[in-house]
Amino acid sequence: GAVVSQHPSWVICKSGTSVKIECRSLDFQATTMFWYRQFPKQSLMLMATSNEGSKATYEQGVEKDKFLINHASLTLSTLTVTSAHPEDSSFYICSARDSGRPIGNEQYFGPGTRLTVT
Amino acid sequence: AQSVSQHNHHVILSEAASLELGCNYSYGGTVNLFWYVQYPGQHLQLLLKYFSGDPLVKGIKGFEAEFIKSKFSFNLRKPSVQWSDTAEYFCAVLTGGGNKLTFGTGTQLKVEL
Repeated sequence: GAVVSQHPSWVICKSGTSVKIECRSLDFQATTMFWYRQFPKQSLMLMATSNEGSKATYEQGVEKDKFLINHASLTLSTLTVTSAHPEDSSFYICSARDSGRPIGNEQYFGPGTRLTVT
Repeated sequence: AQSVSQHNHHVILSEAASLELGCNYSYGGTVNLFWYVQYPGQHLQLLLKYFSGDPLVKGIKGFEAEFIKSKFSFNLRKPSVQWSDTAEYFCAVLTGGGNKLTFGTGTQLKVEL
């Protein structure tokens, strides 16, 4: 149980284009999902908290107009990198918290999406 | 802002050696503490967690961690490592009313046969 999937697992796009990454909770409902970014040899940095049916909460320094988050259902959150540039190349990881469990409980992580912008 | 420090960035051990990975955090309020593991090519998986109660928590695969509040530490231990423990280990602290998970920089563990 508690499986989170991401699609695609890797994507290459040209500079200036937009890319959408999907995060799905497969066997539980998640009113809250999280998007992280991981640079090589570095830790995961929280980008934003995605809330079902409402606006995402972005961490300081993360451009909300560049990283669009939509959480339209209890099992799906999407991250769209708009007008991507090479510096956006990174590993994007989502996680989800089971709505049926107490707040503060563990987050379940997806396998990540490797984005390369050329 | 809260932060998490992992002092060992790379650790190399022989099989059967004992392991201790350090983790310190800076946050004055109530925290929930986690250790996650990322095996090569796989996603993050939970090793163990501390919410309250006994400060010595046991996780999967023989791992344990001890929460020492006075030292703001949550070190990970395993008495005897195996080759299959080769992975990256992340300490994390949950704050912000249960929403914000702050990760340490990770420790790359390599276990040699």
